[in-house]
Amino acid sequence: GAGVSQTPSNKVTEKGKYVELRCDPISGHTALYWYRQSLGQGPEFLIYFQGTGAADDSGLPNDRFFAVRPEGSVSTLKIQRTERGDSAVYLCASSLSGGETQYFGPGTRLLVL
Amino acid sequence: AQSVTQLDSHVSVSEGTPVLLRCNYSSSYSPSLFWYVQHPNKGLQLLLKYTSAATLVKGINGFEAEFKKSETSFHLTKPSAHMSDAAEYFCVVSDRGGSYIPTFGRGTSLIVHP
Repeated sequence: GAGVSQTPSNKVTEKGKYVELRCDPISGHTALYWYRQSLGQGPEFLIYFQGTGAADDSGLPNDRFFAVRPEGSVSTLKIQRTERGDSAVYLCASSLSGGETQYFGPGTRLLVL
Repeated sequence: AQSVTQLDSHVSVSEGTPVLLRCNYSSSYSPSLFWYVQHPNKGLQLLLKYTSAATLVKGINGFEAEFKKSETSFHLTKPSAHMSDAAEYFCVVSDRGGSYIPTFGRGTSLIVHP
């Protein structure tokens, strides 16, 4: 079956703009995670959804970052007033339920100029 | 609380020689442990996972890892490196009694020389 997909694969924006990054998890997976990976680093946890609700958003760096999963499937990560420091690869993963093996998408490479 | 330390940022081996990528962890609960591989411009792929069954875990592509509770280690090994093994490897810990939020190590870059 289809894996986790993320769109766009690349996004270039200007400082101060708003961006949305989309994640389509594997069908039937109730848990969804967002991570941010900077160059030379491991993925850093941002937010975890169980179903439609954010079970843990402790990794969001500040209130410019927000994520939703309104129907318990597709999720959107939203970044307001982007800063150059937001440039990174944003990864999405899904799993059957919390604590199970995570399957990762290819990521969205965000560049803020 | 949980943490993971990958002891080497880079490991360089010759093709056909053994591979050892080292990982130490700390966890307040019984941990689940994972190794993921990331090839350039590719997504993260699960190599293997430990969840409290056998301490020696076999994964894909000939990799295996041994959970040693007394040493809080979960080192990744392969008897004979192949050129296609060149990639970034991440050790990951998740507290099964905790919040299910995994913590990734910083990664080890495996370089394979012909």
